[in-house]
Amino acid sequence: EVQLLESGGGFKQPGESLNLSCAVSGFTFDNYAMSWVRQAPGKGLDWVAALGGSGKTAHYADSVKGRFVVSRDNSKNILYLEMKNVRAEDTAVYYCAKDGGSLSSGLFHQWGQGTLVTVSS
Amino acid sequence: EIVLTQSPATLSLSPGERATLYCRASQPVNIFLAWYQQKPGQSPRLLIYDASSRAADIPGRFSGSGSGTDFTLTISSLEPEDFAVYYCEQRNAWPLTFGGGTKVEI
Repeated sequence: EVQLLESGGGFKQPGESLNLSCAVSGFTFDNYAMSWVRQAPGKGLDWVAALGGSGKTAHYADSVKGRFVVSRDNSKNILYLEMKNVRAEDTAVYYCAKDGGSLSSGLFHQWGQGTLVTVSS
Repeated sequence: EIVLTQSPATLSLSPGERATLYCRASQPVNIFLAWYQQKPGQSPRLLIYDASSRAADIPGRFSGSGSGTDFTLTISSLEPEDFAVYYCEQRNAWPLTFGGGTKVEI
């Protein structure tokens, strides 16, 4: 059974940093690209970042480019999102999502349960 | 960035009725459009990909159509568990984008 479990969310003040993790099981991790997708409270879905299975090719939304970094440890089956200089508008539930293959294609077959990030002064 | 506009914002229907949801892209996305369902307190679930292909374990009452800029998700006969929010997503070009959602309510 495919499982995706996010962690690391919490309360931060603007300008601070935060690291999210997504631990996966039930599939061969390095065979699949992964993404982070967020959802602000009461709002729609907002794609954040994607990373190929090898960890070499990343894509970012313009709103997070230069502030967030997506990475993965294929030996530990964990996807990461390093968030720097967070802003109030980064407040959201952050989901990790499993893509359909090793190249990022934006087709999200499975999702985690999400972790809440709140940014406020 | 490709903007996806979903309509209507809210669809009020009864169980057994047919639901038709629309998604319009600001630029052509070929057939690379997906539909997701999200229930309150739950993660999104993939329903349809590549405009008309049903994802694994999705009931046959869900169908998708369209190409280019105009897409439709149809639920042929609403079941009580189908009342939820539906999002379209394009994966034809980076950045990936989602529509604003359509809420299907009783």
